[in-house]
Amino acid sequence: GAGVSQSPSNKVTEKGKDVELRCDPISGHTALYWYRQSLGQGLEFLIYFQGNSAPDKSGLPSDRFSAERTGGSVSTLTIQRTQQEDSAVYLCASSLEGDRYEQYFGPGTRLTVT
Amino acid sequence: AQSVTQLGSHVSVSEGALVLLRCNYSSSVPPYLFWYVQYPNQGLQLLLKYTSAATLVKGINGFEAEFKKSETSFHLTKPSAHMSDAAEYFCAVRIRGFQKLVFGTGTRLLVSP
Repeated sequence: GAGVSQSPSNKVTEKGKDVELRCDPISGHTALYWYRQSLGQGLEFLIYFQGNSAPDKSGLPSDRFSAERTGGSVSTLTIQRTQQEDSAVYLCASSLEGDRYEQYFGPGTRLTVT
Repeated sequence: AQSVTQLGSHVSVSEGALVLLRCNYSSSVPPYLFWYVQYPNQGLQLLLKYTSAATLVKGINGFEAEFKKSETSFHLTKPSAHMSDAAEYFCAVRIRGFQKLVFGTGTRLLVSP
């Protein structure tokens, strides 16, 4: 079946602009995660959605970052007023409910802020 | 707080040699443990996971890992390296009841002919 898909695969933006990154999880997966992979910080958790529960936003690095998940499926990560330090690969993952289930990752969106 | 340490940012082996990638974790409660592999310009692919069943876990592509509670380790091994194993490998921990994965810094495996 189809895996996790993300779009765009690459995004170049100017400092100060807003960007939106999209994630389509695996059908039937109720949990959705966003991570960031950068040279300086490695792989970091950003945010987690599970069903209709309030999202766990504990990993968002600043209030310029936000995410939503519509209809329990597609998610959008928005970065406002982008900074050069936001340059990274943003990875989305999804899983079945329950912490013993593995997370399946998408190919990522490479964001470059110039 | 939980953490993961991967010893060696780079490991070089010859084709056919044993692969050993080290992972140690820190957690106050028994965690779930995972190994992921990342090929260039791709996402993460799960190799194997430990969820408190057998301590020796077999994964895809001939990899396996052993959970050793006394050593807080979860090292990844493969008896015979193949050129196609060249990639970056990440160990990750997930605490029961919490959802996020905490990753190690990764180990790049280089395989020479």
